[in-house]
Amino acid sequence: GQQVMQIPQYQHVQEGEDFTTYCNSSTTLSNIQWYKQRPGGHPVFLIQLVKSGEVKKQKRLTFQFGEAKKNSSLHITATQTTDVGTYFCAGPPQGGTSYGKLTFGQGTILTVHP
Amino acid sequence: DGGITQSPKYLFRKEGQNVTLSCEQNLNHDAMYWYRQDPGQGLRLIYYSQIVNDFQKGDIAEGYSVSREKKESFPLTVTSAQKNPTAFYLCASSRHDQQYFGPGTRLTVT
Repeated sequence: GQQVMQIPQYQHVQEGEDFTTYCNSSTTLSNIQWYKQRPGGHPVFLIQLVKSGEVKKQKRLTFQFGEAKKNSSLHITATQTTDVGTYFCAGPPQGGTSYGKLTFGQGTILTVHP
Repeated sequence: DGGITQSPKYLFRKEGQNVTLSCEQNLNHDAMYWYRQDPGQGLRLIYYSQIVNDFQKGDIAEGYSVSREKKESFPLTVTSAQKNPTAFYLCASSRHDQQYFGPGTRLTVT
């Protein structure tokens, strides 16, 4: 079945440093979504990428979808303590929409030292 | 105020007992999902429902059961057959692509 892998599993940074997490799918994705879960909280939708090679920015966050639509990345510039949490990527089954199942990566846990 | 509610936030049960977790949404979403999250791990899909009176098994359905009698409600029962029930359970809903999550129920079985 479809597998979605994320690396690294953990990342510790000093405040102000940059951070990147990578997501790789075993199958081509129709779209990829990113979620953030604060410690003790629940996942919150950040963004969805649909087109091959798409790049989207949200303030200090840059999201990229690979040309082959099998990988994605999230880059945070100049991390802040508010960026702490677990970042998940997720994609629908091949040929499907997210109306049905989503396969989540195992997440990257980000800690930021002030 | 629209959203997804899960209750209770914390739940403690003795081994061998069935327990039902509540999930209610007022977002008018057709699709609803149950996930299990273990420490340091991602979200694993237990069951999902795309429409009232219909639901499908996810990747780890064994030891769980659900019902979808109303659009707003998708309760999950953790049965005594579930070998490792202690976990954080998240309910979600969606209309198109984006999934909206409830605050979760942390179940501890001893």
